[in-house]
Amino acid sequence: GAVVSQHPSRVICKSGTSVKIECRSLDFQATTMFWYRQFPKQSLMLMATSNEGSKATYEQGVEKDKFLINHASLTLSTLTVTSAHPEDSSFYICSARKGALTEAFFGQGTRLTVV
Amino acid sequence: RKEVEQDPGPFNVPEGATVAFNCTYSNSASQSFFWYRQDCRKEPKLLMSVYSSGNEDGRFTAQLNRASQYISLLIRDSKLSDSATYLCVVNYDQFYFGTGTSLTVIP
Repeated sequence: GAVVSQHPSRVICKSGTSVKIECRSLDFQATTMFWYRQFPKQSLMLMATSNEGSKATYEQGVEKDKFLINHASLTLSTLTVTSAHPEDSSFYICSARKGALTEAFFGQGTRLTVV
Repeated sequence: RKEVEQDPGPFNVPEGATVAFNCTYSNSASQSFFWYRQDCRKEPKLLMSVYSSGNEDGRFTAQLNRASQYISLLIRDSKLSDSATYLCVVNYDQFYFGTGTSLTVIP
């Protein structure tokens, strides 16, 4: 299957700081990538759809000024959690797919802990 | 109403048992369907796509019933390594995830 690489896998940061998470599709071009958040024992919740060369589309209730998404190339999307708070602590996962109807491939996830 | 409804379980079954998971979806325009497996604290990994004709991969069989808007996954001869959470995923304008069904296979 295709490979999606996410970095870092784990990060601990102080309240008020910003954290950037990278998501790369290593062997295919992804015009669209997706960012999810998952709290313990809950399912993945879509935060936003990242579109190459244009603004991201955010799901209802997700603050676009807090979760900055940049999709600068066909193989890289970044999520920046700005002014992080302890309640932002979660498992963040990106995914990408080759086509509109094909399966999604997930990055390894980033476990964010804000202290 | 949730886009995808899935029994969260947990399912605790002995090794060698056959276990079935079900999932229903609300949007009849859904175009593609998948089962993913997620291990604790890891990312979801594709288990198999689901087609109307049904498809089988070793001990795993997936079925789609468009008329009833229903997807199933059957695992035969369960192994300890099958213990995980199984996510039903439905795609139309985006991917919609079920809450996942937790499976524990007991020795």
